[in-house]
Amino acid sequence: QVHLVESGGGVVQPGRSLRISCEVSGFSFSGYAMNWVRQAPGKGLEWVAVMSYDGTKEDYADSVRGRFAISRDNSKNTLYLQMNSLRAEDTAVYYCAKPAGFELAYYFDYWGQGTLVTVSS
Amino acid sequence: DIQMTQSPSSLSASVGDRVTITCQASQDISIYLSWYQQKPGKAPKLLIYDASILEAGVPSRFSGSGSVTDFTFTISSLQPEDIATYYCQQYENLPLSFGGGTKVEI
Repeated sequence: QVHLVESGGGVVQPGRSLRISCEVSGFSFSGYAMNWVRQAPGKGLEWVAVMSYDGTKEDYADSVRGRFAISRDNSKNTLYLQMNSLRAEDTAVYYCAKPAGFELAYYFDYWGQGTLVTVSS
Repeated sequence: DIQMTQSPSSLSASVGDRVTITCQASQDISIYLSWYQQKPGKAPKLLIYDASILEAGVPSRFSGSGSVTDFTFTISSLQPEDIATYYCQQYENLPLSFGGGTKVEI
Protein backbone atom coordinates (compact mmCIF):
# COMPACT_ATOMS: atom_id res chain seq x y z
CA GLN A 1 0.00 0.00 0.00
CA VAL A 2 1.32 3.42 -0.97
CA HIS A 3 1.99 5.87 1.84
CA LEU A 4 3.42 9.38 1.76
CA VAL A 5 4.04 11.02 5.14
CA GLU A 6 5.12 14.64 5.38
CA SER A 7 6.78 16.08 8.44
CA GLY A 8 8.71 19.12 9.62
CA GLY A 9 6.07 21.81 9.38
CA GLY A 10 5.62 24.44 12.05
CA VAL A 11 5.68 28.14 12.81
CA VAL A 12 8.65 30.09 11.47
CA GLN A 13 9.45 33.79 11.40
CA PRO A 14 9.56 35.72 8.11
CA GLY A 15 12.97 35.57 6.49
CA ARG A 16 13.92 32.33 8.25
CA SER A 17 14.33 28.84 6.82
CA LEU A 18 12.62 25.50 7.25
CA ARG A 19 13.05 22.04 5.74
CA ILE A 20 10.13 19.70 5.35
CA SER A 21 10.30 16.01 4.48
CA CYS A 22 8.15 13.36 2.87
CA GLU A 23 8.88 9.71 3.60
CA VAL A 24 7.27 7.25 1.22
CA SER A 25 6.60 3.54 1.15
CA GLY A 26 4.71 1.03 -0.95
CA PHE A 27 6.22 1.86 -4.34
CA SER A 28 9.59 2.20 -6.02
CA PHE A 29 10.48 5.75 -4.93
CA SER A 30 13.64 5.82 -7.04
CA GLY A 31 11.61 5.19 -10.19
CA TYR A 32 9.39 8.28 -10.02
CA ALA A 33 9.73 12.01 -10.17
CA MET A 34 8.22 13.60 -7.06
CA ASN A 35 6.41 16.85 -6.46
CA TRP A 36 5.47 19.37 -3.80
CA VAL A 37 2.06 21.06 -4.00
CA ARG A 38 0.82 23.63 -1.49
CA GLN A 39 -2.51 25.07 -0.41
CA ALA A 40 -2.80 28.35 1.47
CA PRO A 41 -5.59 28.48 4.08
CA GLY A 42 -8.95 28.63 2.33
CA LYS A 43 -7.31 28.80 -1.10
CA GLY A 44 -6.72 26.50 -4.06
CA LEU A 45 -3.92 24.14 -4.99
CA GLU A 46 -0.58 25.52 -6.19
CA TRP A 47 2.16 23.36 -7.67
CA VAL A 48 5.53 24.20 -6.07
CA ALA A 49 8.32 21.99 -7.38
CA VAL A 50 9.28 18.71 -9.06
CA MET A 51 12.43 16.60 -9.01
CA SER A 52 13.25 13.80 -11.45
CA TYR A 53 13.61 10.22 -10.30
CA ASP A 54 17.41 10.45 -10.19
CA GLY A 55 17.69 13.98 -8.88
CA THR A 56 19.25 15.38 -12.07
CA LYS A 57 16.32 17.60 -13.09
CA GLU A 58 14.21 20.00 -11.09
CA ASP A 59 11.77 22.78 -11.73
CA TYR A 60 9.93 25.34 -9.62
CA ALA A 61 6.98 27.67 -9.61
CA ASP A 62 8.06 31.26 -10.21
CA SER A 63 6.70 32.17 -6.75
CA VAL A 64 9.39 30.06 -5.03
CA ARG A 65 12.22 29.88 -7.57
CA GLY A 66 15.50 30.98 -6.01
CA ARG A 67 14.19 30.58 -2.44
CA PHE A 68 13.11 26.92 -2.28
CA ALA A 69 15.15 23.83 -3.14
CA ILE A 70 13.78 20.35 -3.72
CA SER A 71 15.96 17.32 -3.09
CA ARG A 72 15.66 13.60 -2.51
CA ASP A 73 17.49 10.71 -0.91
CA ASN A 74 16.56 7.54 -2.75
CA SER A 75 18.36 5.41 -0.17
CA LYS A 76 15.97 6.75 2.47
CA ASN A 77 12.82 6.92 0.28
CA THR A 78 12.54 10.56 1.29
CA LEU A 79 11.77 13.82 -0.52
CA TYR A 80 12.73 17.19 0.92
CA LEU A 81 11.85 20.83 0.45
CA GLN A 82 14.30 23.40 1.80
CA MET A 83 12.47 26.68 2.17
CA ASN A 84 14.57 29.83 2.63
CA SER A 85 13.69 33.52 2.95
CA LEU A 86 10.17 32.55 3.97
CA ARG A 87 7.35 35.04 3.52
CA ALA A 88 3.87 35.29 5.01
CA GLU A 89 2.45 34.24 1.64
CA ASP A 90 4.28 30.90 1.91
CA THR A 91 1.92 29.94 4.73
CA ALA A 92 0.19 26.78 3.51
CA VAL A 93 -0.31 23.08 3.87
CA TYR A 94 2.46 21.44 1.86
CA TYR A 95 1.66 18.12 0.20
CA CYS A 96 4.05 15.73 -1.46
CA ALA A 97 2.50 14.06 -4.45
CA LYS A 98 3.42 11.01 -6.50
CA PRO A 99 2.83 11.11 -10.25
CA ALA A 100 1.05 8.21 -11.91
CA GLY A 101 3.64 8.01 -14.66
CA PHE A 102 7.28 8.69 -15.37
CA GLU A 103 7.22 12.12 -16.97
CA LEU A 104 8.14 15.26 -15.05
CA ALA A 105 4.73 16.72 -15.99
CA TYR A 106 2.03 14.30 -14.91
CA TYR A 107 -1.08 13.92 -12.82
CA PHE A 108 -0.96 12.66 -9.24
CA ASP A 109 -2.35 9.35 -8.06
CA TYR A 110 -1.18 9.55 -4.44
CA TRP A 111 -0.85 12.43 -2.01
CA GLY A 112 0.42 12.73 1.53
CA GLN A 113 -1.71 14.12 4.34
CA GLY A 114 0.17 17.42 4.25
CA THR A 115 2.24 19.42 6.73
CA LEU A 116 1.29 22.96 7.76
CA VAL A 117 3.90 25.69 7.47
CA THR A 118 2.98 28.99 9.12
CA VAL A 119 5.18 32.02 8.50
CA SER A 120 4.49 34.57 11.19
CA SER A 121 6.35 36.81 13.60
CA ASP B 1 2.80 29.23 -18.59
CA ILE B 2 -0.62 27.62 -18.99
CA GLN B 3 -3.49 29.21 -17.06
CA MET B 4 -6.50 27.12 -16.07
CA THR B 5 -9.84 28.89 -15.68
CA GLN B 6 -12.44 26.88 -13.82
CA SER B 7 -16.12 27.78 -13.44
CA PRO B 8 -18.24 28.22 -11.51
CA SER B 9 -16.27 28.88 -8.32
CA SER B 10 -19.16 27.48 -6.31
CA LEU B 11 -22.55 25.93 -6.87
CA SER B 12 -25.47 24.66 -4.87
CA ALA B 13 -27.47 21.65 -6.07
CA SER B 14 -29.86 19.05 -4.76
CA VAL B 15 -29.31 15.34 -4.28
CA GLY B 16 -29.91 13.65 -7.62
CA ASP B 17 -29.09 16.73 -9.68
CA ARG B 18 -26.71 16.71 -12.62
CA VAL B 19 -23.72 18.93 -11.87
CA THR B 20 -21.36 20.31 -14.52
CA ILE B 21 -18.06 22.12 -14.04
CA THR B 22 -15.96 23.58 -16.83
CA CYS B 23 -12.24 24.14 -17.12
CA GLN B 24 -10.58 26.18 -19.86
CA ALA B 25 -6.87 26.13 -20.66
CA SER B 26 -5.07 29.21 -21.98
CA GLN B 27 -3.46 27.09 -24.70
CA ASP B 28 -3.73 23.67 -26.31
CA ILE B 29 -3.18 20.92 -23.71
CA SER B 30 -4.50 18.06 -25.84
CA ILE B 31 -6.14 15.67 -23.35
CA TYR B 32 -3.60 16.19 -20.54
CA LEU B 33 -6.14 17.17 -17.93
CA SER B 34 -7.08 15.59 -14.63
CA TRP B 35 -9.81 16.21 -12.06
CA TYR B 36 -9.51 15.92 -8.28
CA GLN B 37 -11.97 15.92 -5.40
CA GLN B 38 -10.93 17.48 -2.10
CA LYS B 39 -12.93 17.26 1.10
CA PRO B 40 -12.21 19.63 4.03
CA GLY B 41 -9.02 18.79 5.87
CA LYS B 42 -8.10 16.04 3.42
CA ALA B 43 -5.67 15.64 0.54
CA PRO B 44 -7.01 15.77 -3.01
CA LYS B 45 -8.19 12.53 -4.56
CA LEU B 46 -7.71 11.70 -8.24
CA LEU B 47 -11.00 11.11 -10.06
CA ILE B 48 -10.26 11.46 -13.79
CA TYR B 49 -7.13 11.64 -15.95
CA ASP B 50 -6.46 12.10 -19.65
CA ALA B 51 -9.62 14.24 -19.67
CA SER B 52 -12.07 11.34 -19.61
CA ILE B 53 -10.58 8.21 -18.04
CA LEU B 54 -12.08 7.27 -14.69
CA GLU B 55 -9.55 6.31 -12.02
CA ALA B 56 -10.03 2.79 -10.68
CA GLY B 57 -12.58 2.63 -7.89
CA VAL B 58 -14.22 5.97 -8.68
CA PRO B 59 -18.02 5.78 -9.05
CA SER B 60 -19.34 5.90 -12.59
CA ARG B 61 -21.54 8.92 -11.84
CA PHE B 62 -18.35 10.97 -12.32
CA SER B 63 -17.26 11.68 -15.90
CA GLY B 64 -15.08 14.01 -17.91
CA SER B 65 -14.84 15.15 -21.49
CA GLY B 66 -13.10 17.63 -23.73
CA SER B 67 -9.79 18.29 -25.45
CA VAL B 68 -7.49 21.08 -26.62
CA THR B 69 -8.65 23.97 -24.41
CA ASP B 70 -12.18 23.18 -23.23
CA PHE B 71 -13.07 20.52 -20.69
CA THR B 72 -16.13 19.46 -18.72
CA PHE B 73 -16.54 17.49 -15.49
CA THR B 74 -19.94 16.03 -14.69
CA ILE B 75 -21.58 14.35 -11.72
CA SER B 76 -24.63 12.65 -13.23
CA SER B 77 -26.59 12.31 -9.99
CA LEU B 78 -25.23 14.27 -7.03
CA GLN B 79 -24.89 12.32 -3.79
CA PRO B 80 -24.42 13.72 -0.27
CA GLU B 81 -20.88 12.31 -0.14
CA ASP B 82 -19.95 14.34 -3.24
CA ILE B 83 -19.92 17.57 -1.24
CA ALA B 84 -16.37 18.77 -1.80
CA THR B 85 -14.22 21.12 -3.83
CA TYR B 86 -13.20 19.95 -7.29
CA TYR B 87 -10.04 20.99 -9.15
CA CYS B 88 -8.81 20.53 -12.70
CA GLN B 89 -5.07 20.25 -13.42
CA GLN B 90 -3.12 20.42 -16.66
CA TYR B 91 -0.02 18.29 -17.17
CA GLU B 92 0.81 19.08 -20.76
CA ASN B 93 3.82 21.06 -19.61
CA LEU B 94 5.69 22.48 -16.64
CA PRO B 95 4.85 24.47 -14.64
CA LEU B 96 1.89 22.31 -13.69
CA SER B 97 -1.21 24.35 -12.98
CA PHE B 98 -4.58 23.90 -11.32
CA GLY B 99 -7.92 25.55 -11.83
CA GLY B 100 -9.18 27.75 -9.02
CA GLY B 101 -11.58 25.10 -7.74
CA THR B 102 -15.35 24.63 -7.61
CA LYS B 103 -17.02 24.21 -4.24
CA VAL B 104 -20.09 21.96 -4.54
CA GLU B 105 -22.73 22.35 -1.84
CA ILE B 106 -26.17 20.93 -1.25
